[in-house]
Amino acid sequence: DIVLTQSPALAVSLGQRATISCKTNQNVDYYGNSYMHWYQQKPGQQPKLLIYLASNLASGIPARFSGRGSGTDFTLTIDPVEADDTATYYCQQSRNLPTFGSGTKLEIK
Amino acid sequence: QIQLVQSGPELKKPGESVKISCKASGYTFTDYAMHWVKQAPGKGLKWMGWINTYTGKPTYADDFKGRFVFSLEASASTANLQISNLKNEDTATYFCARYPWRFDYWGQGVMVTVSS
Repeated sequence: DIVLTQSPALAVSLGQRATISCKTNQNVDYYGNSYMHWYQQKPGQQPKLLIYLASNLASGIPARFSGRGSGTDFTLTIDPVEADDTATYYCQQSRNLPTFGSGTKLEIK
Repeated sequence: QIQLVQSGPELKKPGESVKISCKASGYTFTDYAMHWVKQAPGKGLKWMGWINTYTGKPTYADDFKGRFVFSLEASASTANLQISNLKNEDTATYFCARYPWRFDYWGQGVMVTVSS
């Protein structure tokens, strides 16, 4: 299995930039695409797709969210953060059978 | 619009069975695989496996082989998850999710509580 590692928590001031990282133990690139995706989950809700294939914004997601990276190192950036961005953020790879990172809990100060 | 609507919460005793449904609408059901994801209370997301909605062939992650069964009612655009011989550690929310190489639409989740 491909293992995804995320930091457990992050606190960012309102209006500032939040950068959440995800590192994998194997390359998730394949034929020019990076098979890494990002989700936001608020308490009591299902996860919501934010970014797919490392850098593509999902439908209806504001441009404050962006993703980048390739190979084994990926980041999700939220700039500027808003109070409503308080949530847990998960990365997920689909290069092989799906696996998720353990999640990063974002607190807005 | 695309929707995945799951059945309601379940309270079961250890050793019992439970069947959860996931009804899809707004797209052609057989065009996309359906996956299942487990989330224990306060924990992260764990992929359980998937079912090919065209052929009906299920694939299970290693930790979900034996007591877990994925099935379809294709005529009703519905995917099902059945768990038999329930254990306390099966207490969790179970999500279905559509999967074109990422989980683009999710059901609202079904909370299954196993308690004597």
